[in-house]
Amino acid sequence: SQKIEQNSEALNIQEGKTATLTCNYTNYSPAYLQWYRQDPGRGPVFLLLIRENEKEKRKERLKVTFDTTLKQSLFHITASQPADSATYLCALGTYKYIFGTGTRLKVLA
Amino acid sequence: DVKVTQSSRYLVKRTGEKVFLECVQDMDHENMFWYRQDPGLGLRLIYFSYDVKMKEKGDIPEGYSVSREKKERFSLILESASTNQTSMYLCASSRRPTGDFTGELFFGEGSRLTVL
Repeated sequence: SQKIEQNSEALNIQEGKTATLTCNYTNYSPAYLQWYRQDPGRGPVFLLLIRENEKEKRKERLKVTFDTTLKQSLFHITASQPADSATYLCALGTYKYIFGTGTRLKVLA
Repeated sequence: DVKVTQSSRYLVKRTGEKVFLECVQDMDHENMFWYRQDPGLGLRLIYFSYDVKMKEKGDIPEGYSVSREKKERFSLILESASTNQTSMYLCASSRRPTGDFTGELFFGEGSRLTVL
């Protein structure tokens, strides 16, 4: 069955450093992959989408890479800030989406 | 801005009660979804609707039903609530993927249901 794994449940980093989150998938060949941010007690908010023919996508301090050979996406937050602390989810699908369990990022001041 | 509104943020119900969770979106989206989110299990799709009166089962439809009588409204129904349905329920909507548009999801704030 299709499966998505996010590398760690929680990640702590120092303010100003680059946070790197990993999303691995199996038994799937997605046309694109999405990343969402979720704050405690709130619904997820869409951040970025990357297509299978795109190696990298950027939006402000965010960067996403997509390696269909490794079946992996990396999500980077550069110059991280305490306000970036949240859970980050990756999702695969075309119209029905499968989500990873998320990585809880904490940026320490 | 797209807005997805869920009728109740917090509900407490008794085992065996019938529970209605309502969701309304204001952006004329074709697709609407109900997910539940549990610690360690992530978001799991319960039901999906791609048009009025149309629905598809997701990964965990057992114990749930849905209704979509109007395009903007998608209801989740628990016919007889059980304690294992205690969870955070999230409604989402999206445009139908066409051409370059890929249908990213817009979520509501969630409804936290406790079944005693």
